[in-house]
This record gives sequence, C-alpha cells and structure tokens, in this order.
Amino acid sequence: DTGVSQDPRHKITKRGQNVTFRCDPISEHNRLYWYRQTLGQGPEFLTYFQNEAQLEKSRLLSDRFSAERPKGSFSTLEIQRTEQGDSAMYLCASSLSTGSGGYTFGSGTRLTVV
Amino acid sequence: RKEVEQDPGPFNVPEGATVAFNCTYSNSASQSFFWYRQDCRKEPKLLMSVYSSGNEDGRFTAQLNRASQYISLLIRDSKLSDSATYLCVVNTNAGKSTFGDGTTLTVKP
Repeated sequence: DTGVSQDPRHKITKRGQNVTFRCDPISEHNRLYWYRQTLGQGPEFLTYFQNEAQLEKSRLLSDRFSAERPKGSFSTLEIQRTEQGDSAMYLCASSLSTGSGGYTFGSGTRLTVV
Repeated sequence: RKEVEQDPGPFNVPEGATVAFNCTYSNSASQSFFWYRQDCRKEPKLLMSVYSSGNEDGRFTAQLNRASQYISLLIRDSKLSDSATYLCVVNTNAGKSTFGDGTTLTVKP
C-alpha cells in the first residue's frame, strides 16, 4: 500500500461544468475525509465517512457538492456547476476510526475554474 | 473567531536557533491534538501528536495546556530543512479534525 492516492492531480475546468475527483485511502483505514485548502489558509473540513456511511458534512458545503464512498473503499467528490470560488486544492485523508494517530493525506487535486 | 488560531508568522530564524510556536483553540471539549508540517504546494504530513504530559521527538517538543487551551511546538537547533508551514490541529471528538491556518517558518543559513 503506497498511501492515499488522489486522481487527477490537476483539473482545469470552465465555470458551470461538473467535475469529479477520486480518492483511494490506505486499505486498513476505515475513515476517509475530504478537505479543501486555499492559499494561505489551513485545510477546511468538507465531509467524512466511516466505512460507507457519511457521518458529517460541513454546513459550509453547498448543495453543489456531493461525496460518496459506495463500498467503503474509494471515494468520489463531485462538484456541480463549478464556480470560480471553487478553485482550491482538494485534499483527501484517511485514518483509523480512533483518529488518535492523525491523518494520512493524499497529494491532493488542484482545481482551477476559469 | 476561528476554532484554532495560530500566529501566521513568518518566523525567520538562523540555523541552530530555537523557535516556538503557539496555538489556541476555543472548544474546551477538544480531545486530541496534533502538529502537522506542510511544505510549499505539498500535502500536510503528521509531525507529532500532542499529549497532556508533553512529548518530545528528537529536536521537537510539543506541549498541551488544557486549562489555557493552548498547544505549543518547540524546535531546537533549527535546520534549513525545517523550513515549512506548521499546522496546529484539534479533534473535538473521534471525527473531524480542525486545522489552524498555519505558522510559516523560514530557517536561514
């Protein structure tokens, strides 16, 4: 297992288009998290899963954002009708359910909306 | 007010210096605490957990003061390779972590 994988690494899209990102967590980790980070800010929580259940979703997240983890393994994050303000680094992380060991992050997907 | 607050810096120190960062958090129910390191345009990486009794890992020492709700990170004998942004992280339960905006450290020769 080589860690948390995210795909694609970079995505440029036109405003109004839909985009989907994928995250493959560390196989033994049952928790998976999505964060968003913009320049000069810390990662901002979006949502997390324990196995296939989505346990929490940020109130900051609009209805244009949806995440799934259908089989409790990989996850997808979809953004519909993208806006320029969606431009950011989207980070996926995974952990064991206790959370006491911290997270392992993937390299992120950098989204640019033009 | 943000849940986790850090001095953004930048801290510019010479090699060999000792530097300390502080972080405050607002939720008294917070249960676990971490420091992460993030290099420019890279993902955050766990540096160390922070325990109530304090803990040390080589040149790095982390401390937690629950009464005052702050966390500290001390770096001794700074190296050029320590240059990065240091993120303070707080868990309020076994779920999500809340990140500070980071403190930027530049170690100069």
